[in-house]
Amino acid sequence: KNQVEQSPQSLIILEGKNCTLQCNYTVSPFSNLRWYKQDTGRGPVSLTIMTFSENTKSNGRYTATLDADTKQSSLHITASQLSDSASYICVVTSVGGSQGNLIFGKGTKLSVKP
Amino acid sequence: GAGVSQSPRYKVAKRGQDVALRCDPISGHVSLFWYQQALGQGPEFLTYFQNEAQLDKSGLPSDRFFAERPEGSVSTLKIQRTQQEDSAVYLCASAREWNTEAFFGQGTRLTVV
Repeated sequence: KNQVEQSPQSLIILEGKNCTLQCNYTVSPFSNLRWYKQDTGRGPVSLTIMTFSENTKSNGRYTATLDADTKQSSLHITASQLSDSASYICVVTSVGGSQGNLIFGKGTKLSVKP
Repeated sequence: GAGVSQSPRYKVAKRGQDVALRCDPISGHVSLFWYQQALGQGPEFLTYFQNEAQLDKSGLPSDRFFAERPEGSVSTLKIQRTQQEDSAVYLCASAREWNTEAFFGQGTRLTVV
């Protein structure tokens, strides 16, 4: 069964600190992996999208990694800011499957405290 | 338009009432998705359109839920005889193609009282 698991479920860090969020997936066949940021009361907004051949991709203070062999991805946030408080959702795109090919994780809720 | 637009932004319905939620995707986007998001949870798939064709509706929780996209553009999610468990945020997303970036609307928060 195609699944995307994220950890931790929630995380609290102090402003200025770094953190890493994890995503493990069992989606096959794989097309790409995306990280979304969802602020409370808003729709998800794309941070990065990586294909099979990409190991790392950065977007400002956000750096995503992908290990297609172990089917793991991480999202590293550097020098966190209060505005980083949000849910971070990992989404894996399959090929020719159901659900329009998008398989969602349940998200990691990040709280950045001053 | 500049982004995916959903309306209404908030909807309060009495139990048993029918509701219709609208999604205006980005112009030219072929793929359109509907998701249901309970408080504190990730989005759960409801249904998916490729143009006007509803290719997957396996996520619709019951036959009270119905979605359409008759002209391959605007989509409507209809919920008949609403129940309290239908209370959630309903998200719509569109993508140029099935494997390209999906853009989400702000969602419609449905509260059934």
